[in-house]
Amino acid sequence: DSGVTQTPKHLITATGQRVTLRCSPRSGDLSVYWYQQSLDQGLQFLIQYYNGEERAKGNILERFSAQQFPDLHSELNLSSLELGDSALYFCASSVEGARDIQYFGAGTRLSVL
Amino acid sequence: QKEVEQDPGPLSVPEGAIVSLNCTYSNSAFQYFMWYRQYSRKGPELLMYTYSSGNKEDGRFTAQVDKSSKYISLFIRDSQPSDSATYLCAMSGGSNYQLIWGAGTKLIIKP
Repeated sequence: DSGVTQTPKHLITATGQRVTLRCSPRSGDLSVYWYQQSLDQGLQFLIQYYNGEERAKGNILERFSAQQFPDLHSELNLSSLELGDSALYFCASSVEGARDIQYFGAGTRLSVL
Repeated sequence: QKEVEQDPGPLSVPEGAIVSLNCTYSNSAFQYFMWYRQYSRKGPELLMYTYSSGNKEDGRFTAQVDKSSKYISLFIRDSQPSDSATYLCAMSGGSNYQLIWGAGTKLIIKP
């Protein structure tokens, strides 16, 4: 158990809908990262938050947004969903930055039908 | 050209063999090198973490960094079927210290 908690484990929704994925980092970790992994693809970095502030952005679509709350949990919001958004979404956390080890949650599997 | 190149495989070897997994990179500023293991549809888990050049050993796993060649390796001795997974390399140390990921190599250990 990495200590990073993601909910829900699995989401099934329809095109055009909006969903929210939730992540609780390890105790003491200030950075949260979101990744997307499509079937048999590598990890695509989406966005990083550090202590409530956006620190880095990757290939995140405009339809996607995230935030980190004062208690350090984070949410990833995906809107106007398309079939191609079906993927595994992982959250990771680290003490501070990318030179630190990132610990991953078990992921949320999103299926857009 | 990608910053980090990793052969996606699959790499299939018999049980008990020594496995060599590799990544090459182009950014000479990288200083932190990591190997993660990911079982099918599970979250990646850290296997090895090294700073700068040299070797690091942990049980059956050895991580090697050759900064002069911009090449990192992960060796697995006495490979087991339970080692079958995708192995991802990751590294950081550029201007913004973001972690850059390889595409992952799928490893299959045949009993």
